[in-house]
Amino acid sequence: GDSVTQMEGPVTLSEEAFLTINCTYTATGYPSLFWYVQYPGEGLQLLLKATKADDKGSNKGFEATYRKETTSFHLEKGSVQVSDSAVYFCALSDPNNFGNEKLTFGTGTRLTIIP
Amino acid sequence: EAGVTQFPSHSVIEKGQTVTLRCDPISGHDNLYWYRRVMGKEIKFLLHFVKESKQDESGMPNNRFLAERTGGTYSTLKVQPAELEDSGVYFCASSQITSGSPFFGPGTRLTVL
Repeated sequence: GDSVTQMEGPVTLSEEAFLTINCTYTATGYPSLFWYVQYPGEGLQLLLKATKADDKGSNKGFEATYRKETTSFHLEKGSVQVSDSAVYFCALSDPNNFGNEKLTFGTGTRLTIIP
Repeated sequence: EAGVTQFPSHSVIEKGQTVTLRCDPISGHDNLYWYRRVMGKEIKFLLHFVKESKQDESGMPNNRFLAERTGGTYSTLKVQPAELEDSGVYFCASSQITSGSPFFGPGTRLTVL
């Protein structure tokens, strides 16, 4: 079945550091790929997504590129801020399952940014 | 516009007791999903409603879990009787049929002692 493997956490970085959180997937066909973020005390929020190979999703300075050849969707940000501290989840869905956006998630990566 | 809401935010119960979790989706969203995250592991799909109908309940762990969505509005997830391994955070999400990415609620943290 479908699966998502993401970088083990926790990850601790200094403010303004470069961030990469790795995510690879296993799926049949061509899934849509997502990054969700959970800030402390809040629900999951969609951070960015990509629906086909070579698409780049971006939001709030974060980027991720859908790489079919390496089955990866790594999350990057050039300069992190304290407010980026959260848990980040990589996920995929089967676009052929129209109307059912059933998501398969990774284990989540806790990111802490220190001033 | 109000987001997806869940009640309660936390619940602590003893093994063998019954607990009912509630989810209120965004108004007009026909899709409603339940997910669960156990002890820092991945978030796992439980089931999917379209309006009041269960479309996919392949993720429900066993028959101690019962989900309903009367009238196609809010949904409840009942665990009866609760076991220790049911502890975790239960998330609800909703979306329109054609909109794509679901909107998630804040989750209910369930602790079974």
